[in-house]
Amino acid sequence: GESVGLHLPTLSVQEGDNSIINCAYSNSASDYFIWYKQESGKGPQFIIDIRSNMDKRQGQRVTVLLNKTVKHLSLQIAATQPGDSAVYFCAERRGGADGLTFGKGTHLIIQP
Amino acid sequence: ETGVTQTPRHLVMGMTNKKSLKCEQHLGHNAMYWYKQSAKKPLELMFVYSLEERVENNSVPSRFSPECPNSSHLFLHLHTLQPEDSALYLCASSQLVAYEQYFGPGTRLTVT
Repeated sequence: GESVGLHLPTLSVQEGDNSIINCAYSNSASDYFIWYKQESGKGPQFIIDIRSNMDKRQGQRVTVLLNKTVKHLSLQIAATQPGDSAVYFCAERRGGADGLTFGKGTHLIIQP
Repeated sequence: ETGVTQTPRHLVMGMTNKKSLKCEQHLGHNAMYWYKQSAKKPLELMFVYSLEERVENNSVPSRFSPECPNSSHLFLHLHTLQPEDSALYLCASSQLVAYEQYFGPGTRLTVT
């Protein structure tokens, strides 16, 4: 479809394990991508971004991977903690003045 | 205060009421946005302002009327809303249009 999407609406992981959240995008002209985290009752919070001239970018406990061949974006969270429980969604910049296009989100659930 | 603030945080209004949502950003950004977030749907971009000029209006009904008096403030005036307009309304800002956006906590709107 035309929108940015995620493969799974819900992902459940054990505390301490690594989490991988996936996102598929459809516009091959998109040149910039962002991952956001939204906790209950709060607005989305920037986690990490990546430009299309990169394949990988690392932050603190998070890594974003971009595969332009298959138009796939992933967010890896190392050693998942209870505070990581939230909805995660990706966004892409397709160009023009309309800002970012957002996906539906994956709800990450942390099991003790 | 720092970041992006929104008031009120919660609003209940009847279909014949007139109310306004307020957003203020303390980041020195040049672009501001209104988004609508409904359950199980991606963020829907409503309006984009860049340097106080509206640059995008995504076919939003006229019962929603934005106002950007300066680069730090953004309003969304509401009148004769419908129950399906009940949602979380998020404000965001960025240094440039379509770059990393910082979100406020949102206003939870319920139309009765």
